[in-house]
Amino acid sequence: EDQVTQSPEALRLQEGESSSLNCSYTVSGLRGLFWYRQDPGKGPEFLFTLYSAGEEKEKERLKATLTKKESFLHITAPKPEDSATYLCAVPGQNFVFGPGTRLSVLP
Amino acid sequence: NAGVTQTPKFQVLKTGQSMTLQCAQDMNHNSMYWYRQDPGMGLRLIYYSASEGTTDKGEVPNGYNVSRLNKREFSLRLESAAPSQTSVYFCASIGTGSWSPLHFGNGTRLTVT
Repeated sequence: EDQVTQSPEALRLQEGESSSLNCSYTVSGLRGLFWYRQDPGKGPEFLFTLYSAGEEKEKERLKATLTKKESFLHITAPKPEDSATYLCAVPGQNFVFGPGTRLSVLP
Repeated sequence: NAGVTQTPKFQVLKTGQSMTLQCAQDMNHNSMYWYRQDPGMGLRLIYYSASEGTTDKGEVPNGYNVSRLNKREFSLRLESAAPSQTSVYFCASIGTGSWSPLHFGNGTRLTVT
């Protein structure tokens, strides 16, 4: 059974303080990984698809990386508008989602 | 540029009442999904429809029924609501292609008292 975990559960950063979020997965065969951002009261919004181990994707202050067992979402010099819950998911017959990391960036 | 639209946004039910959550997408996607999201548990799949005319159970189907009305619309029905069904419900759709991401609506927040 595919399983996805995320850490930390919550993270508070000062504006400009870089950090990383982790997504670990146990799957029968790596089929790529998706990252989403979710704002309060909204549905998840697609950020990145990572297709294979070693791949990296960037968007503004976010950079996602993928290994054979985990993915990291690096946030460089975050701003308050980056505050959100970040979800990762592995695809298959059905998507399996992690529980998310709730990020707060304080001004 | 609506994407996935869900109605209603909020609903309060009493135990035993029934209701239908509506979902429509305008992206010509074949597959549609219903998830529930609870604190600390992530998104869990209730039902999905791989194409018009087909539906299948997901991880947590008990207490729910679905109807794929046409290619655009996929509804979720609670026949006899229970407090355990208090949750936020999300509808999603996905295009064809191995690496297509899910596109989500903005959810229905349901409280069952």
